[in-house]
Amino acid sequence: KNEVEQSPQNLTAQEGEFITINCSYSVGISALHWLQQHPGGGIVSLFMLSSGKKKHGRLIATINIQEKHSSLHITASHPRDSAVYICAAHSGGGADGLTFGKGTHLIIQP
Amino acid sequence: DSGVTQTPKHLITATGQRVTLRCSPRSGDLSVYWYQQSLDQGLQFLIQYYNGEERAKGNILERFSAQQFPDLHSELNLSSLELGDSALYFCASNRGTSGRDTQYFGPGTRLTVL
Repeated sequence: KNEVEQSPQNLTAQEGEFITINCSYSVGISALHWLQQHPGGGIVSLFMLSSGKKKHGRLIATINIQEKHSSLHITASHPRDSAVYICAAHSGGGADGLTFGKGTHLIIQP
Repeated sequence: DSGVTQTPKHLITATGQRVTLRCSPRSGDLSVYWYQQSLDQGLQFLIQYYNGEERAKGNILERFSAQQFPDLHSELNLSSLELGDSALYFCASNRGTSGRDTQYFGPGTRLTVL
């Protein structure tokens, strides 16, 4: 069974700061997802990664398959980025569900 | 708006009761996934259906069951409810058979068992 660990659990930063959230997993995966959950509860898929790096606006996600590690970066953070960020691993091999980290609760103060 | 709908939004019931949660996937999506999010366990995968057939099972209790109908909507049935079943239940959908691909989440159903 894949174990997915995220750090930090909680992060408070000032508007404009560069944010990094880390995710590590214990066994090989076919894909790693980054999700955003807003205070109202809704979940939005941000990225699906199997290698390398992806960028969308101010968000950048990277993955290192050999080290079993992924990072989510937010540049020029803004209060509207305040949310819980969750990484989830897809192990493949017929076990088709996602295994989730506990999430990082991010607060960006103006 | 992801295009995935879930009803009801909130559900309050008593221990021992049975409830049904409903999910309609995005137009064209054939896979539906059910997830449970509780305060102590976080998000957990319950079960996946693809085009009417069960495809993968996660940490779904025997008291819980699901099905996907010919019009592709899905229902999650929870019976003999316990206090610990109180959680947010999400469904998600995608086009293909694999959970590897991007999933689109519904707004969730918040279940409170008293």
